[in-house]
Amino acid sequence: AQKVTQAQTEISVVEKEDVTLDCVYETRDTTYYLFWYKQPPSGELVFLIRRNSFDEQNEISGRYSWNFQKSTSSFNFTITASQVVDSAVYFCALSGGVISSGSARQLTFGSGTQLTVLP
Amino acid sequence: DGGITQSPKYLFRKEGQNVTLSCEQNLNHDAMYWYRQDPGQGLRLIYYSQIVNDFQKGDIAEGYSVSREKKESFPLTVTSAQKNPTAFYLCASRALQGSKGDNQPQHFGDGTRLSIL
Repeated sequence: AQKVTQAQTEISVVEKEDVTLDCVYETRDTTYYLFWYKQPPSGELVFLIRRNSFDEQNEISGRYSWNFQKSTSSFNFTITASQVVDSAVYFCALSGGVISSGSARQLTFGSGTQLTVLP
Repeated sequence: DGGITQSPKYLFRKEGQNVTLSCEQNLNHDAMYWYRQDPGQGLRLIYYSQIVNDFQKGDIAEGYSVSREKKESFPLTVTSAQKNPTAFYLCASRALQGSKGDNQPQHFGDGTRLSIL
């Protein structure tokens, strides 16, 4: 079975601080994909990044960066110089191989981290 | 613009009533999904479909039904058998294969918030 754990339920930071959201996953698949989604107060989920299990390079996109470490089964997300507009719930999700996720590649979501950036 | 449209945004259900949530996509995606989100929790999969006229149960299908008569549409019916339907419902779609055969991300609608009267 697959599992995604986001141990941080809520985080509050002051604007311009850096913040890291943790994500730890479990899977028996050798090929899998990891995702981060943002859910602002309006409710829709916004796709942020996808990473496959063969690519351990860290990725940076503007103020966002992601640190993927297979050795610790973690896929952490850092926001640099946070802004009020970053306030949202952030979800980490895992999609395994066909055997564990089916050919439709269902996503297993973590419980989310509520990030509040204070002005 | 291409996207996923869910309607209505808010829905109220009376005791013993079935209600249907609409989900339409114009992204030409083959796969569509329905999730339920409860406060402070992640998303749980209700049903999914990879092709017209075919769908599969997810983790919490009891009390729900779906149909997939058209590629663009995947309505969800919350039946009276679902005893605790109050939740936020999200529909998603996904291309089954990208240019590199990668696992393409799911794209989500804005959601429908269902409450009991």
